[in-house]
Amino acid sequence: SQQGEEDPQALSIQEGENATMNCSYKTSINNLQWYRQNSGRGLVHLILIRSNEREKHSGRLRVTLDTSKKSSSLLITASRAADTASYFCATLASGAGSYQLTFGKGTKLSVIP
Amino acid sequence: GAGVSQTPSNKVTEKGKYVELRCDPISGHTALYWYRQSLGQGPEFLIYFQGTGAADDSGLPNDRFFAVRPEGSVSTLKIQRTERGDSAVYLCASSWTGFDEQFFGPGTRLTVL
Repeated sequence: SQQGEEDPQALSIQEGENATMNCSYKTSINNLQWYRQNSGRGLVHLILIRSNEREKHSGRLRVTLDTSKKSSSLLITASRAADTASYFCATLASGAGSYQLTFGKGTKLSVIP
Repeated sequence: GAGVSQTPSNKVTEKGKYVELRCDPISGHTALYWYRQSLGQGPEFLIYFQGTGAADDSGLPNDRFFAVRPEGSVSTLKIQRTERGDSAVYLCASSWTGFDEQFFGPGTRLTVL
C-alpha cells in the first residue's frame, strides 16, 4: 500500500519559475526522502530529512517537514528544463524493524523552456 | 564510484516461465532492497536484506517470489511461474544502514507475454 500522497499530480511551469510539490503521509516517521525519476527508470535521491528536522537545503532544492500535519514540501527554485521528471516522496516509518520506504504516486513536473 | 547495477535491463518472458533478476549493490552497503513499480505508480517494497539474511520479506506478493543474497553482496530476485500481472519495473536499492538514504539502480523492465 502507498502511504504518501503527492500534490499536485502534475505541474507545468516556465523555465526560471519556482516549483512546489507537497506530500502528505499517515503514520509516524523516522525520516522522509525525496526522489526524482526520469522516464520511469532509476530513482535519484535528492534529500533526506529526519523527523526532528524542519527544513533542509541542497542547491536549488528546499525541503520542509511538518510532523504535526504529517506533511512535507519540496521547492525547486529557478527551474530548468532538465528538472522535468517525476518527483516522489518516500517515508521510513518509525518503530523497530521497519526499514522499507513507502512511496507516493509522484508529481510529474514539466518545465517548459 | 560505481552505483547500483541491475541486469538485465529488459527481460521479456512467456507466462509460466521462471526468471531471475540480478542486483549488484554499492560496495560496502550492508542493506539491500527490492521494489516493484507499475506504470503510473510509485515503487512498492518487496524485500529487505541486512547482510545475508532477509530481515523483512513482508512485501513479497506470494510464494512465487523469492530472493537471495548468499554472500551479503549481490542479490537475485527469482520469480517462478510468471504471470502477466508480474510485468513491471523491478528496482533494487542499497544503503549503509536501514536508516540511511537508499540508492537505486536503473531497474529491470520485466514483460510477461
